Amino acid sequence: GESVGLHLPTLSVQEGDNSIINCAYSNSASDYFIWYKQESGKGPQFIIDIRSNMDKRQGQRVTVLLNKTVKHLSLQIAATQPGDSAVYFCAENSPKAAGNKLTFGGGTRVLVKP
Amino acid sequence: DTAVSQTPKYLVTQMGNDKSIKCEQNLGHDTMYWYKQDSKKFLKIMFSYNNKELIINETVPNRFSPKSPDKAHLNLHINSLELGDSAVYFCASRALTSTDTQYFGPGTRLTVL
Repeated sequence: GESVGLHLPTLSVQEGDNSIINCAYSNSASDYFIWYKQESGKGPQFIIDIRSNMDKRQGQRVTVLLNKTVKHLSLQIAATQPGDSAVYFCAENSPKAAGNKLTFGGGTRVLVKP
Repeated sequence: DTAVSQTPKYLVTQMGNDKSIKCEQNLGHDTMYWYKQDSKKFLKIMFSYNNKELIINETVPNRFSPKSPDKAHLNLHINSLELGDSAVYFCASRALTSTDTQYFGPGTRLTVL
């Protein structure tokens, strides 16, 4: 079965508020994690990544947190904007996976309300 | 523009037909992938090629055959199309650097009637 995330939940957030998207993974050997954003009709777009030797990484308006103890990954979006409306995917990479196979979670749909 | 591109963007065809989807990347990457995204948005890897060599081949019907004429191109040929093949197919590429980030194309929406 799949090890990362499940289903496609939806997060509704007011414009200007902060968003938190969560992801659970089950492979404790995974050493690299990525968040992707997929807008309607487009391919997944890289947002931010983090390696397992870190527990936090910040980008522009986004922060990824990694809790290896409970195998949990989260993406925080500050001051959410209408353009942030999309489906967000977490993905994990295991160092033993041939060809750097990424395993994707089921995605979370974010809807930004004006 | 530097990017991963796919053609066609939309493909509508009848059951039983054979079709191909093309992918090209001009990012200078060594590894290319094909993913299938179903109607529930679930992304699953199908194949991966590194410098024209097949390195990942997930449990995919042998009606699907990837072909990599050079490291910048990875095409997907599908024989005897079935209704269940309807999905969005994404190509992605990755460089052999310290990062494992994969960059995705815009997708090809395949509809089998």
